[in-house]
Amino acid sequence: EVQLVESGGGLVQPGRSLRLSCAASGFSFDDHAMHWVRQVPGKGLEWVAGISGKSDSIGHADSVKGRFTVSRDNAKNSLYLEMNSLRVEDTALYYCVKKSSDIFDMWGQGTMVTVSS
Amino acid sequence: EIVMTQSPATLSVSPGERVTVSCRASQSIRSNLAWFQQRPGQAPRLLISGASTRATGVPARFSGSGSGTEFTLTISSLQSEDFAVYYCQQYNDWYTFGQGTKLEI
Repeated sequence: EVQLVESGGGLVQPGRSLRLSCAASGFSFDDHAMHWVRQVPGKGLEWVAGISGKSDSIGHADSVKGRFTVSRDNAKNSLYLEMNSLRVEDTALYYCVKKSSDIFDMWGQGTMVTVSS
Repeated sequence: EIVMTQSPATLSVSPGERVTVSCRASQSIRSNLAWFQQRPGQAPRLLISGASTRATGVPARFSGSGSGTEFTLTISSLQSEDFAVYYCQQYNDWYTFGQGTKLEI
């Protein structure tokens, strides 16, 4: 069974940093690109960042470019999102998402990030 | 950035009804469109990819159509478990989502 379990969320002050993790199991992790998608509670979905299976292709949304960095450790079946210079508008539920042939086919349950003073 | 526009934002429906949700792209995305269902308190679930291909385990009452800039999600006979928010997503040029359509009683 495919499982994606996010962790690392919490309450943080504006300007500070946070690192999210996603532990993957049940599939061949390094064969799949992985992504982060966020959702403000009660609002819509926003793609944040993605990384190919071998980390040779990486992309970030303009809204987080220069502040967030996606990475992965295939030996640990883990995906990461390093978030720096956090803003109030980064407050959201962050989902780890598995991609198969361009499709976001599996989503974790998310980890909540709250940026507030 | 490709903008995805869904309509309507909210749809008041009854069990057994046929439901249609529309999604428009600001430029052609060919058939690179997916539909997701999100029930309250749950993560989004893939329903349809390639504009019309149902994901594994998705009931046949869900169908998708369209290409280019105009797309439709149809639920042929609404069941109680279908009351949720539905999102379209394009994956032709990076990834953007529609704002969602909420089905409510």
